[in-house]
Amino acid sequence: DGGITQSPKYLFRKEGQNVTLSCEQNLNHDAMYWYRQDPGQGLRLIYYSQIVNDFQKGDIAEGYSVSREKKESFPLTVTSAQKNPTAFYLCASSTLGEGEQYFGPGTRLTVT
Amino acid sequence: DAKTTQPPSMDCAEGRAANLPCNHSTISGNEYVYWYRQIHSQGPQYIIHGLKNNETNEMASLIITEDRKSSTLILPHATLRDTAVYYCIVFEGGSTLGRLYFGRGTQLTVWP
Repeated sequence: DGGITQSPKYLFRKEGQNVTLSCEQNLNHDAMYWYRQDPGQGLRLIYYSQIVNDFQKGDIAEGYSVSREKKESFPLTVTSAQKNPTAFYLCASSTLGEGEQYFGPGTRLTVT
Repeated sequence: DAKTTQPPSMDCAEGRAANLPCNHSTISGNEYVYWYRQIHSQGPQYIIHGLKNNETNEMASLIITEDRKSSTLILPHATLRDTAVYYCIVFEGGSTLGRLYFGRGTQLTVWP
């Protein structure tokens, strides 16, 4: 059953700690994306990757880091430098050049 | 930056057609119109897309005006499960970038 998974669904951390969000896809997609969503807002792009070992900053990359060591995986680390990390984080994947993106269920991160 | 304008909210009676408008007056010739929806606390879901012609699939119909400056997403027989935020997005076809710009969308509420 093809799809994109994110874990965990809910995550709680103390301020000052780094945290890594998992994103895995078995759709054989080259492109993967990380978005952030705040209450009542649309999605904002954090990072995206078009190929293994390559990724680009999106609109709000400060305080975040990513890696793309495997085609199937695109983990996002929320570092202590991110000033307001509490948000809903969504991962997506797509075929290169296609506007149809497949989204995971999201991870809701709460930092106190 | 989102290139579309949508009403913030609409409602519709169950079983009736829901018609969601979108303005994209600055759309260029190689840009497609995509529609996604997001049920509360879930990842967005692709619905349909089109370039010039009207399109229909099992979920919805997309009507694009002749000048391509606006479009309407039609859910022919809305159900309670169609309650969601609907996003209209302009996407440049053929670009490997694959970026989607999500605005705030339209909150559609279907009532019994």
